[in-house]
Amino acid sequence: QITLKESGPMLVKPTQTLTLTCTFSGFSLRTNGVGVGWIRQPPRKALEWLGLIYWDDDKRYSPSLKSRLTITKDTSKKQVVLTMTNMDPADTATYYCVHRLGASFFDSWGQGALVIVSS
Amino acid sequence: EIVLTQSPGTLSLSPGERATLSCRASQSVSSNYLAWYQQKPGQAPRLLIYGASSRATGIPDRFSGSGSGTDFTLTISRLEPEDFAVYYCQQYGYLITFGGGTKVEIK
Repeated sequence: QITLKESGPMLVKPTQTLTLTCTFSGFSLRTNGVGVGWIRQPPRKALEWLGLIYWDDDKRYSPSLKSRLTITKDTSKKQVVLTMTNMDPADTATYYCVHRLGASFFDSWGQGALVIVSS
Repeated sequence: EIVLTQSPGTLSLSPGERATLSCRASQSVSSNYLAWYQQKPGQAPRLLIYGASSRATGIPDRFSGSGSGTDFTLTISRLEPEDFAVYYCQQYGYLITFGGGTKVEIK
């Protein structure tokens, strides 16, 4: 059974850098084709894809946020870390991490972590 | 970037009725890499349909997906009380984008 869980600060100040960690189980990021992604959802708004990291360390980012995002992995710890710089109140959202196999859909989601950007 | 437009924004129906949700892409979705997710308040989205028409594991057969190219449809044949939720389409053929969602509410 695949599980993912997001962790990190609930509150960050404008201009600060957000660091979120996704801790997963039930799969390995050493397995060919496996990826972990990040998606966010502002309150009462739609889903927005942020980025992905694959087993071979290949990374893909949303073009609109690419300059602010970094995704890394620690395979032995079974963790993926999302870093987003220069946070703004508009970045207030629930952040989800997801499992992906190959060039496919997201079959498993974390419960989400609410991040509020406010001074 | 492929833009997905979902319609209608809100669908007001009664239990037992048929729901038809539309997802239109700004350009052709390669290999029909189109998925549908259901999201209930306070919960993470759940995968319903992938490859435009394949049901995910455990999804009831009242949910069906169809379409190709730029026009896709999610149909719920007979709405059950637990089906009232927000539905998102997603394309994963070129990078990843989501539609704006359709809320299916009780009339």
